[in-house]
Amino acid sequence: AQSVTQPDIHITVSEGASLELRCNYSYGATPYLFWYVQSPGQGLQLLLKYFSGDTLVQGIKGFEAEFKRSQSSFNLRKPSVHWSDAAEYFCAVGPYFGNEKLTFGTGTRLTIIP
Amino acid sequence: DADVTQTPRNRITKTGKRIMLECSQTKGHDRMYWYRQDPGLGLQLIYYSFDVKDINKGEISDGYSVSRQAQAKFSLSLESAIPNQTALYFCATSDPQGDEQYFGPGTRLTVT
Repeated sequence: AQSVTQPDIHITVSEGASLELRCNYSYGATPYLFWYVQSPGQGLQLLLKYFSGDTLVQGIKGFEAEFKRSQSSFNLRKPSVHWSDAAEYFCAVGPYFGNEKLTFGTGTRLTIIP
Repeated sequence: DADVTQTPRNRITKTGKRIMLECSQTKGHDRMYWYRQDPGLGLQLIYYSFDVKDINKGEISDGYSVSRQAQAKFSLSLESAIPNQTALYFCATSDPQGDEQYFGPGTRLTVT
């Protein structure tokens, strides 16, 4: 069965500092990986996705993620966070076709301090 | 206008009441989904629909039912609400490849 682990429930970083959010997945075939962001009172918005090709993918809002097959990881990074990045972040995994089968992680809440 | 709208945005109801949550989308997609979000549990899939005639159960369908009235409309019903159905409910839609799911703003449901 597919699964996603986000080991950090809550992370606090200073504005302007770098950020890395961890995501580990378990999936029997080639995974389709996603990062979504949920701002307060909002639905989820896709930040980026990966299926194949370059293992470093760029997303919106200056985010990037790196796929490491050997570590079953898909960590999200941003070189310099802004106060507006405060939100909850979800990693998800699914098959390339049939993404009704997406499995979401439990989320990481990001707090930004001045 | 938002691509996916949900009504109501907030609802408080009593145990045993029937309640319907509605979702509409303007993306023109065939696939629609209902999720439930609980703190610390991420999103869990309740039901999904590939088209008007196709309804499928997700991970946690017990206690819920759905209706796909049109390509653009997908409703979730709680026939007899119970307190542990208190949660944030999201509707989503995606294209045939399921490439990206577009989410509504959510409905916060409280069952007392």
